[in-house]
Amino acid sequence: KNEVEQSPQNLTAQEGEFITINCSYSVGISALHWLQQHPGGGIVSLFMLSSGKKKHGRLIATINIQEKHSSLHITASHPRDSAVYICAVRNYGQNFVFGPGTRLSVLP
Amino acid sequence: NAGVTQTPKFRILKIGQSMTLQCTQDMNHNYMYWYRQDPGMGLKLIYYSVGAGITDKGEVPNGYNVSRSTTEDFPLRLELAAPSQTSVYFCASSYSSGTGAYNEQFFGPGTRLTVL
Repeated sequence: KNEVEQSPQNLTAQEGEFITINCSYSVGISALHWLQQHPGGGIVSLFMLSSGKKKHGRLIATINIQEKHSSLHITASHPRDSAVYICAVRNYGQNFVFGPGTRLSVLP
Repeated sequence: NAGVTQTPKFRILKIGQSMTLQCTQDMNHNYMYWYRQDPGMGLKLIYYSVGAGITDKGEVPNGYNVSRSTTEDFPLRLELAAPSQTSVYFCASSYSSGTGAYNEQFFGPGTRLTVL
């Protein structure tokens, strides 16, 4: 079993839809990182969180430490949100373990 | 700030050749990382550094070497290229004050390497 799993693997949505991407992990963590990988390959940090909820624009990230689960929500999705969304967990060492990513396509 | 820069963007190597992937950051981050990303797989840590002069192995270090002589630079060396090293390589950096604060990673644009 991978330490970090994401669901769904692939997601297609219509513009305007509310989107949820899930991340589950099996190890104790000190923080969780959501990243976005653009179609061109660049990787951008979205959120870093260790508890509760964070919001930035149309993006919301939540984490439940007891259930070892995090969700990334996108409200009013737009074609420019099309990307691969990556969840990474920081263990109690120095390093991150990355999930396989969720590929999102938002159609106009 | 340029952030994290990587060169080259693309490279094709023949089996057995050597090369160095360059990574530079101008954010005065103490932590630097090298990852590889294979198609459909998550990023895998190759090597990391917590400061100048200090490096350590990650999950997949075989076939690679690193050095960290300055805060800014963290080159990755491939000595004898093999087809299994065909991948996209990302360098990243972050800052840690050592107090347990959780700091995000900043990524370079990546280097796409093909070994034939």
